[in-house]
Amino acid sequence: GAGVSQSPSNKVTEKGKDVELRCDPISGHTALYWYRQSLGQGLEFLIYFQGNSAPDKSGLPSDRFSAERTGGSVSTLTIQRTQQEDSAVYLCASSLKRDEKLFFGSGTQLSVL
Amino acid sequence: SQQGEEDPQALSIQEGENATMNCSYKTSINNLQWYRQNSGRGLVHLILIRSNEREKHSGRLRVTLDTSKKSSSLLITASRAADTASYFCATDGGAQKLVFGQGTRLTINP
Repeated sequence: GAGVSQSPSNKVTEKGKDVELRCDPISGHTALYWYRQSLGQGLEFLIYFQGNSAPDKSGLPSDRFSAERTGGSVSTLTIQRTQQEDSAVYLCASSLKRDEKLFFGSGTQLSVL
Repeated sequence: SQQGEEDPQALSIQEGENATMNCSYKTSINNLQWYRQNSGRGLVHLILIRSNEREKHSGRLRVTLDTSKKSSSLLITASRAADTASYFCATDGGAQKLVFGQGTRLTINP
């Protein structure tokens, strides 16, 4: 595709359920980021993948959060046992290589009831 | 904690005026980037300035970088209603990952 694609665009779930959020980066981009943004707030870094290197997971808020990137392309962010405070927009971005500009997807709006 | 912090948090000006937003950061950087976010979700890249550059232009945008003060500014000249958005700076902090500030909410009044 021409841009970064995220799915679903909206997800409503019940507290305690697991959710999976998907990101398709631009083909050939080696760097992939996940961020979280609460209403009216800045972007909170979650995790960063760069090529075949071990991911930087330093931003994941708890062990309920995990992410993987298969084949250096598609990435999935999984939140287990969701809590109401997990409600936010989850943004994915990719770049051709490190130290280059990011291209963002439109995000997934997660609502935990 | 965030690497970059924007100032002011909110700015409201009249159409046609210039808007200036500032970003301060804490550690050495390889580059600093500015992004815009309209109401909605995705961010759009505006300008990337590297640590060995002092100024960069793109259309009505002008970015400066002062590594001695660990600060950057974004100037939008001759503002338009369409410039209404949130503006974020992002830095790598030497740690590879790109970290964003809290943003400046800019409102252009007609």
